[in-house]
Amino acid sequence: KAGVTQTPRYLIKTRGQQVTLSCSPISGHRSVSWYQQTPGQGLQFLFEYFSETQRNKGNFPGRFSGRQFSNSRSEMNVSTLELGDSALYLCASSLGPTSEDEQFFGPGTRLTVL
Amino acid sequence: AQTVTQSQPEMSVQEAETVTLSCTYDTSENNYYLFWYKQPPSRQMILVIRQEAYKQQNATENRFSVNFQKAAKSFSLKISDSQLGDTAMYFCAFMKHRQGGSEKLVFGKGTKLTVNP
Repeated sequence: KAGVTQTPRYLIKTRGQQVTLSCSPISGHRSVSWYQQTPGQGLQFLFEYFSETQRNKGNFPGRFSGRQFSNSRSEMNVSTLELGDSALYLCASSLGPTSEDEQFFGPGTRLTVL
Repeated sequence: AQTVTQSQPEMSVQEAETVTLSCTYDTSENNYYLFWYKQPPSRQMILVIRQEAYKQQNATENRFSVNFQKAAKSFSLKISDSQLGDTAMYFCAFMKHRQGGSEKLVFGKGTKLTVNP
């Protein structure tokens, strides 16, 4: 079974631009969570989607948004990029939206903002 | 809010030896899950071991075991017979239990473990 895939793997943008990252969950998984990983702040939760609905949201500004499609694939969007948005963005999928369901992580998208 | 603290930013161990990574957490919840995740240099995070707070028995997965002390809010990971492939960042994580729902993972800052030949 294929794992979680994230595209693109690497991305370079300039301040003020916007970016869209994509995550394809493991087949059959319906829940997708996003995390931001930086050396300073560590791993921080962005949001979680299940059945095309956002169920949880972390403490990030409104520039960070996401959505989930009917096939469970998810995208996150960051508008008006800032230097501090440079990070590894990790996506995790799980079978369902419960605490009992193990989260499987993708390889991440490395975003660099210049 | 829950917090997870890993007090050892870096550790090293000789191949075949045993190493213990520390983790403490703070929560007022009674029902929750604790995890250790491994992130090798390739960056794909994988689950090493998971512990349900209501279970008194410490979880084990082959060479990996935990020492879960609920009253002390401590959750350490012991790696026995360390192998070169164990070299990675290790993250301790916490998740509240929510009946019929999910909660976010709250991560510690990580411990960089190097296994030396």
